[in-house]
Order: sequence, then structure tokens, then C-alpha cells
Amino acid sequence: GQNIDQPTEMTATEGAIVQINCTYQTSGFNGLFWYQQHAGEAPTFLSYNVLDGLEEKGRFSSFLSRSKGYSYLLLKELQMKDSASYLCAPSNSGYSTLTFGKGTMLLVSP
Amino acid sequence: GAVVSQHPSRVICKSGTSVKIECRSLDFQATTMFWYRQFPKQSLMLMATSNEGSKATYEQGVEKDKFLINHASLTLSTLTVTSAHPEDSSFYICSARERALQETQYFGPGTRLLVL
Repeated sequence: GQNIDQPTEMTATEGAIVQINCTYQTSGFNGLFWYQQHAGEAPTFLSYNVLDGLEEKGRFSSFLSRSKGYSYLLLKELQMKDSASYLCAPSNSGYSTLTFGKGTMLLVSP
Repeated sequence: GAVVSQHPSRVICKSGTSVKIECRSLDFQATTMFWYRQFPKQSLMLMATSNEGSKATYEQGVEKDKFLINHASLTLSTLTVTSAHPEDSSFYICSARERALQETQYFGPGTRLLVL
């Protein structure tokens, strides 16, 4: 089975840095995705980690520890448009399906 | 690249009718497409996995006779909600993956279904 745990809500101010944590328990783990989803819209791809460590991509970075079943998404220089839900999704082997948690709703204020 | 479209974006139908939703990969060939459903403030729930030219694999609890999936080509998958009921009202989202070894799924914009 799958068990994904991430905070329900987070708030931060413009220009700040925020870290969204995700812990997971899954069988047949391949890698871990982070997606961004604005209200009423479909998710958009942010990052995919297979190996342990930090991967940086512009203002967004993602970290993975396979042994700990832990990942985080780091958002720097926050902008108002970053207000969205951030979904942590482990990928399973076989059909490589994704399992989504409920996501972390991030609210960026001025 | 990796653009996925869905049509229609929004549909309202009467209870008991059937609704077809199309999912297209516009600039790549999708060997695998996925159909998700999302209720308000809930997580995306995978309904089924569809591989081109073969029968879809449905997740537990999803009725295959009610949610008909066809993946007849490498760029098109359809989901037909048969005999729709108000409880089927939801946000239906498809995603597509280019090759079996490539993990990333790209999502369509979603279809909001309202059954009266």
C-alpha cells in the first residue's frame, strides 16, 4: 500500500524561502515526483528525483532520501503566483503509476 | 514540448446520459495514458492505466463497465462515463507518458463534469 504524509497548509511571505516536506511509505519505489496544482487546474510537473540528494532547478529544488522515505521541495524567492497546492507523488515500479497525497496548500502573502 | 489536451474542458449533462472525454498528446506519442478523478479539496485518485492497443487496467473500486476507456492510437485516449449520476460529478484529468522507460507524466488541463 501507499502512505504519503505532507503538511496540509503552509504560509509564507513574498521573497522568502519555504520547504515542503514529504514522507512516504511505498512498495516498489522508483522515484518521487513533485507537481504544482493551482486551484481548478491540472497539475504541472516540477521535479523528479530518483537518486539521493538535492536537485536544483531555478527557484525550485527537490531533495530525496530513499533510505528514509523522505523528500522535500524547496522554493526560493517566493512570488505570489507560487500560491498553489504542491503534490508529492512516489512512483511505483511495474506500470510506474503515481500515488498522490492530498498536497500542501501554500499561501504566499505580500 | 509534452503538451496534453483534453476535450471538453467542461460538460454538464443529465443523469442517465453518457459523456465522452478525449485526451490527446499533441507533440509526442503516448504509450501509456492515465485517467484520474479529483473531488473538491481531495487528492487525485488514479482510476485506470491505459496502454495503447490493450485493455485498460482499472484501480480497485473503479467500475470498468461504467468508465469505458479506449486507447486506440498513440495520441488519443477516451474516457466514457456511462449512465452518469450526480455522484460522478468531478474533475477528470488525464496524463500521458511518452515511453515505457520515461517516468514523467504530463497532465491535460482536466474536464469538469457536472451531472444534474
